[in-house]
Amino acid sequence: KAGVTQTPRYLIKTRGQQVTLSCSPISGHRSVSWYQQTPGQGLQFLFEYFSETQRNKGNFPGRFSGRQFSNSRSEMNVSTLELGDSALYLCASSVEGPSYNEQFFGPGTRLTVL
Amino acid sequence: GQQVMQIPQYQHVQEGEDFTTYCNSSTTLSNIQWYKQRPGGHPVFLIQLVKSGEVKKQKRLTFQFGEAKKNSSLHITATQTTDVGTYFCAGGAGGYQKVTFGIGTKLQVIP
Repeated sequence: KAGVTQTPRYLIKTRGQQVTLSCSPISGHRSVSWYQQTPGQGLQFLFEYFSETQRNKGNFPGRFSGRQFSNSRSEMNVSTLELGDSALYLCASSVEGPSYNEQFFGPGTRLTVL
Repeated sequence: GQQVMQIPQYQHVQEGEDFTTYCNSSTTLSNIQWYKQRPGGHPVFLIQLVKSGEVKKQKRLTFQFGEAKKNSSLHITATQTTDVGTYFCAGGAGGYQKVTFGIGTKLQVIP
């Protein structure tokens, strides 16, 4: 079974730009969660999508948004980038949801904002 | 909201010594998961505990879930260099809710 894939793996953007990250979950997994990982803050939950609906949301500003498609692939978008958005963005898929089943993480997208 | 505290944040041990990381939740959990992230890698699922007082073992790793389902620990016996990485706990509120990750414990093993 193929694992979780994320594209692109690396991104360099400047302040004020917007960015879209993509995540393809494991086949058969309907839940996709997004996390922001920074050295001082650990893994911060952004949002979770299940069957194309946002089921849970973390405490991030509205500049962070996401969506899920009918094939369970998910995208997250960050608009008006700030320097503090530099981080590793991880997506994780699970069969029914992160509190039900183990999560399988992708390799992440390393975003650098200059 | 739910908070999950994890200590210590860093631990250096000599190879062969034991290691323990602890998690405490501000609320009663439905379950707790543990993940390991190797340097430069992504988190990998280790185990999920769901029952009060549950203890599970995986070779040299022992996982415990407290009686009140508010705390958990991971103990590694006789550490090896392959144990290097960051260990995260993640507390689940149950149902279709999210899990909340602890900040992680970064383990360095000195050969």
